[in-house]
Amino acid sequence: EVQLLESGGGLVQPGGSLRLSCAASEFTFSTYGMSWVRQAPGKGLEWVSCITASAGNTYYADSVQGRFTISRDNSKNTVYLQMSSLRAEDTAVYYCAKSWRANCYYMDVWGNGTTVTVSS
Amino acid sequence: EIVMTQSPATLSVSPGERATLSCRASQSVGSNLAWYQQKPGQAPRLLIYGASTRATGIPARFSGSGSGTEFTLTISSLQSEDFAVYYCQQYNNWPLTFGPGTKVDIK
Repeated sequence: EVQLLESGGGLVQPGGSLRLSCAASEFTFSTYGMSWVRQAPGKGLEWVSCITASAGNTYYADSVQGRFTISRDNSKNTVYLQMSSLRAEDTAVYYCAKSWRANCYYMDVWGNGTTVTVSS
Repeated sequence: EIVMTQSPATLSVSPGERATLSCRASQSVGSNLAWYQQKPGQAPRLLIYGASTRATGIPARFSGSGSGTEFTLTISSLQSEDFAVYYCQQYNNWPLTFGPGTKVDIK
């Protein structure tokens, strides 16, 4: 069964940093784009970032551009989200999601999410 | 940025009835539109992509239609497990954007 398992969430102070990881299994990870999507408490879904299969291209929402960095290690079947200069409005459940193909389109497999809380 | 809007915000439906959900894009996205279902405490699940193609394992009572800027998700006969929030998402332009969601609850 295709699986995505996020980790790395937690409580961090405003201005702090955190790195999220997403370990993939049971599919050829290196051939698919991967996204991070977040959901603030009681709110809707917000796409955050995506990285293409070869890691040749990365894309970011304006709200995180310059503060977050997406990367992947195809040898470890893992995608990362490095978050810095965190703000209260970054508080959310962060989902890792597999894209349909090598580029970033719609997302056909989702992890269960990891919670990030930014608070002093 | 393409802004996605959904209506209604909440739809109250009785089991067995038909539900029709709307999604509108601020500019044309062609057929590059997906629908997701999310139940409380769970991750979203892909229902429809390409505006009208059901994802693997999705029951035939779910159907999608539309192109350009106007899209519809129809659930032909609501089952108890279908009460959830439904989101549309465009993948025609960067950034990828979601609609605010339509909550389908029990009437």
